[in-house]
Amino acid sequence: QSALTQPPSASGSPGQSVTISCTGTINDIGGYDYVSWYQQHPGKAPKLMIFEVNKRPSGVPDRFSGSKSGYTASLTVSGLQAEDEADYYCSSYAGSDNVAFGGGTKLTVL
Amino acid sequence: QVQLQESGPGLVKPSQTLSLTCVVSDGSISDGTYYWSWIRQPAGRGLEWIGRIYSRGTANYNPSLKSRVIISVDTSKNQFSLNLSSVTAADTAVYYCARGGPTRFDPWGQGALVTVSS
Repeated sequence: QSALTQPPSASGSPGQSVTISCTGTINDIGGYDYVSWYQQHPGKAPKLMIFEVNKRPSGVPDRFSGSKSGYTASLTVSGLQAEDEADYYCSSYAGSDNVAFGGGTKLTVL
Repeated sequence: QVQLQESGPGLVKPSQTLSLTCVVSDGSISDGTYYWSWIRQPAGRGLEWIGRIYSRGTANYNPSLKSRVIISVDTSKNQFSLNLSSVTAADTAVYYCARGGPTRFDPWGQGALVTVSS
């Protein structure tokens, strides 16, 4: 059982926006501004999309944005494109040099 | 852009030790800025952080695996390694190495599938 809770699936049509949630506790998401999001296409390694809640690494489109409220972090993908179809994982620092991951959300572009 | 590549046996017998190496290229593992981590993913499931190491040898481990894990670094070869002892079928997974941890991981290696079976 994953430490962070994500919905197993999400979907949207091209051009629409989709938001994926990631719920934790005071010991992880609620306690630190160190939430990151990863995109994983089938058979590929995860790719960092968002770090420190809402920062984008160089090269990640600004269609991807992150936020946090209380114990829940969110990833929003705007202007959905076919190549956004992938699994998305959230992660949070969990104190004492530990890391928590979510179980992953499969994003389908209809 | 730094690149990472995992290598090691793809099949390990139960109760034995799983050993993997991650070679870092186009960058120095001795760069004092970063930690270097191992993360695994059982088939069809989510990610699990195993542990991390600093170039000077300081390591931290996931408490759930701590009793069985050793991560080491060889700066002369620009690589770091994972040893996981007393493996069972539950340790079957794709094992990734990545730069960073615990607040973010970037980039990742392509992953190495390790199957635990007799």
